[in-house]
Amino acid sequence: DTGVSQNPRHKITKRGQNVTFRCDPISEHNRLYWYRQTLGQGPEFLTYFQNEAQLEKSRLLSDRFSAERPKGSFSTLEIQRTEQGDSAMYLCASTGGGVETQYFGPGTRLLVL
Amino acid sequence: QKEVEQNSGPLSVPEGAIASLNCTYSDRGSQSFFWYRQYSGKSPELIMSIYSNGDKEDGRFTAQLNKASQYVSLLIRDSQPSDSATYLCAVHMDTGRRALTFGSGTRLQVQP
Repeated sequence: DTGVSQNPRHKITKRGQNVTFRCDPISEHNRLYWYRQTLGQGPEFLTYFQNEAQLEKSRLLSDRFSAERPKGSFSTLEIQRTEQGDSAMYLCASTGGGVETQYFGPGTRLLVL
Repeated sequence: QKEVEQNSGPLSVPEGAIASLNCTYSDRGSQSFFWYRQYSGKSPELIMSIYSNGDKEDGRFTAQLNKASQYVSLLIRDSQPSDSATYLCAVHMDTGRRALTFGSGTRLQVQP
């Protein structure tokens, strides 16, 4: 399977706990995006990497959120001290070359109790 | 005003009919436009991209772009019950950002 993969697919946690999600982009895609989607809304941009450099961060990305992409391959998104409002689907997308089309992974559904 | 606007629906069409989904965007300088399909509980799946004014056809799907009117649409011919999903319009805006800006989606229901 050469698509974008994300792990875990589902995560249930208690408020105040830290969680970490992983995204493996399509091979050789140098651009990687994180989005968050809540019920009834379209995906909202969180952050963007080109290779290992984090080039853009949304205002949605509070200081409890951190993302990294060591060596320009997989990426992790960590949420510290989770809140109930963090419950959402976290989506990763990748693209590469001169193409702007973004391909999404299956997402990680987070539920904060 | 939202940056990308879609009617939330649901849009209900009978099987075999043409479904027409519409999207408007606020940034006149936007260059790239995408339609994604999203089944309930799943992630967005790319249907089509369009970059130039006019029509672009791919099988039963036709995307239409009118940059002067800041309007992009998706037509689905011979609609099937399996087309029932939420359709997301996404725009790559001319703001220097690489991320896509999404509408909230239109829910399509195809009645057998």
